[in-house]
Amino acid sequence: DQQVKQNSPSLSVQEGRISILNCDYTNSMFDYFLWYKKYPAEGPTFLISISSIKDKNEDGRFTVFLNKSAKHLSLHIVPSQPGDSAVYFCAVKRGSNYQLIWGAGTKLIIKP
Amino acid sequence: DSGVTQTPKHLITATGQRVTLRCSPRSGDLSVYWYQQSLDQGLQFLIQYYNGEERAKGNILERFSAQQFPDLHSELNLSSLELGDSALYFCASSVGFNSNQPQHFGDGTRLSIL
Repeated sequence: DQQVKQNSPSLSVQEGRISILNCDYTNSMFDYFLWYKKYPAEGPTFLISISSIKDKNEDGRFTVFLNKSAKHLSLHIVPSQPGDSAVYFCAVKRGSNYQLIWGAGTKLIIKP
Repeated sequence: DSGVTQTPKHLITATGQRVTLRCSPRSGDLSVYWYQQSLDQGLQFLIQYYNGEERAKGNILERFSAQQFPDLHSELNLSSLELGDSALYFCASSVGFNSNQPQHFGDGTRLSIL
């Protein structure tokens, strides 16, 4: 029973173009959504988050969009840079429940 | 550098054995979380401690236990190890216990069961 799905195991994007990573969730009670980035042999690093009261949050080149009716979350990276090549995880949490529930990750490859 | 230290980085042992994984949280963080990541899967939450007390429990097996010490470092004990326990084990820390603040992760301990 996967509550959080990242359906694309990998994504290849040309340097300078937009990267769009997607995440779907099943439970409408989730109210906080996060993206983490992970390089090989390192732990995940927090990237950006969004609360369910918003539908967009921006931080520099990174923008997260939340579509509550579709239970869909996306991360846009513009412009994509070689250092963005990593595995991206979406994670969700529900109110007072302390657990983060993680997607399986999408490997982003930025081509020069 | 996240400020979270995990030791050892790699651990190779045999079925039936017991191991202890150690985590030192970021300075000032009171919460410690343990996660398991099996091959090509997302992280699975195991357990959280806040200021020495167990705060939340996830999909942690009875063969696994954890504790947080007064100096806030934490240990995850895995016993009667099985082949399926081979995974990356991550520790993370955060300031609060119920916060939407980001968790800061160590680089993980890779456990291989032969």
